[in-house]
Amino acid sequence: EAGVTQFPSHSVIEKGQTVTLRCDPISGHDNLYWYRRVMGKEIKFLLHFVKESKQDESGMPNNRFLAERTGGTYSTLKVQPAELEDSGVYFCASSRIDTDTQYFGPGTRLTVL
Amino acid sequence: GQQLNQSPQSMFIQEGEDVSMNCTSSSIFNTWLWYKQDPGEGPVLLIALYKAGELTSNGRLTAQFGTTRKDSFLNISASIPSDVGIYFCASLQRGGSEKLVFGKGTKLTVNP
Repeated sequence: EAGVTQFPSHSVIEKGQTVTLRCDPISGHDNLYWYRRVMGKEIKFLLHFVKESKQDESGMPNNRFLAERTGGTYSTLKVQPAELEDSGVYFCASSRIDTDTQYFGPGTRLTVL
Repeated sequence: GQQLNQSPQSMFIQEGEDVSMNCTSSSIFNTWLWYKQDPGEGPVLLIALYKAGELTSNGRLTAQFGTTRKDSFLNISASIPSDVGIYFCASLQRGGSEKLVFGKGTKLTVNP
């Protein structure tokens, strides 16, 4: 069974540019989560999808961040326009609807210059 | 929001030594989880604890759920070089989204 995959693995962009991160959850996992770790800090929750619906987006920093999960399969997280403080590692995780165990992807390291 | 205070921040040990790290919180949690992150990978669940006082082992790893439900520790016995990585404590914040709350992590370096 393939794990959670994320693309790209690294992204270096300039302040003001747009970046779109993609997450492919484990097949059959209805729950999809986005988290972010800023250097030296804890991993923080951003938002949670159940299928294509946003269950909780209380962790989204501001309206420069837009997450979608059209069709309830893969998800994208767009940052527009990117700011310096958006740098960090963005993790995606997925889980089955009936379990607590979340499986994490390898993350996308975003660097905003 | 709820915070998990994890210590130590980093550890440098010799191969074969035992390691201990812990997490505390001012809030009560019903679940304690321990994850490990290898370089270039995402966090992987090592041990899950669901009951106060519970002591659970996974190979050379042992974790306990504190009786006050506000703390947990993770021990690694007879460390080996592949134990290198960042260890995170975490808990489930229930109430709709069941999102994870993480500690800041303990970076472990094992010298052969």
